[in-house]
Amino acid sequence: EVHLVESGGGLVQPGGSLRLSCAASEFTFSSHWMHWVRQTPGKGLVWVSRINGDGSGTNYADSVKGRFTIFRDNAKNTMYLQMNSLRAEDTAVYYCARGMEWLLDTFDIWGQGTMVTVSA
Amino acid sequence: QSVLTQPPSASGTPGQRVTISCSGTSSNIGSNTVNWYQQPPGTAPQLLIYSNDHRPSGVPDRFSGSKSVTSASLAISGLQSEDEADYYCAAWDDSLNGPVFGTGTKVTVL
Repeated sequence: EVHLVESGGGLVQPGGSLRLSCAASEFTFSSHWMHWVRQTPGKGLVWVSRINGDGSGTNYADSVKGRFTIFRDNAKNTMYLQMNSLRAEDTAVYYCARGMEWLLDTFDIWGQGTMVTVSA
Repeated sequence: QSVLTQPPSASGTPGQRVTISCSGTSSNIGSNTVNWYQQPPGTAPQLLIYSNDHRPSGVPDRFSGSKSVTSASLAISGLQSEDEADYYCAAWDDSLNGPVFGTGTKVTVL
């Protein structure tokens, strides 16, 4: 079964760093754009970042540009989100999601999410 | 920050038809296709409708989508208790250069 599993969330102080991982299984990982989407507790969904299949192309939401870095290791079927200079407003559940092969920004598979809490 | 506007809630009795609207602008819905995601309580979102009106395999035909100019709609016919969930529309936004989501609609089965 196609699967995405996030890890790496936790409690971090403002200004701190955290690296999230998203492990993929049962599909050709390198054929898909991959995304990070976050959801503030009790609120809506916000797209964070995306990366193309070979890792050469990335995009970010303005709110995280310059602070977050998305990258992937296709040999390990894993995508990452390096989060630096974290702020309280970055507190959210972070989901990784797969883009469909022919509809890059349609998220057909989602992970279960990992919680990031930024607080002193 | 949600760019697409949805009603906060919708409800119906089992068997009824419920419709959820999603309002956008020329930079998102007006020039790109719309997807819908369903998020049951305590779970991750899942794709429900893509490219305005297409259902992924496994999604019942009770769910249907449509789009007109800068708005889109999701209809649930023959409402069932398991349809209780939050529903989000989404579309690419040419101005923001990224996907944007709707504010979300909580569907309650009475």
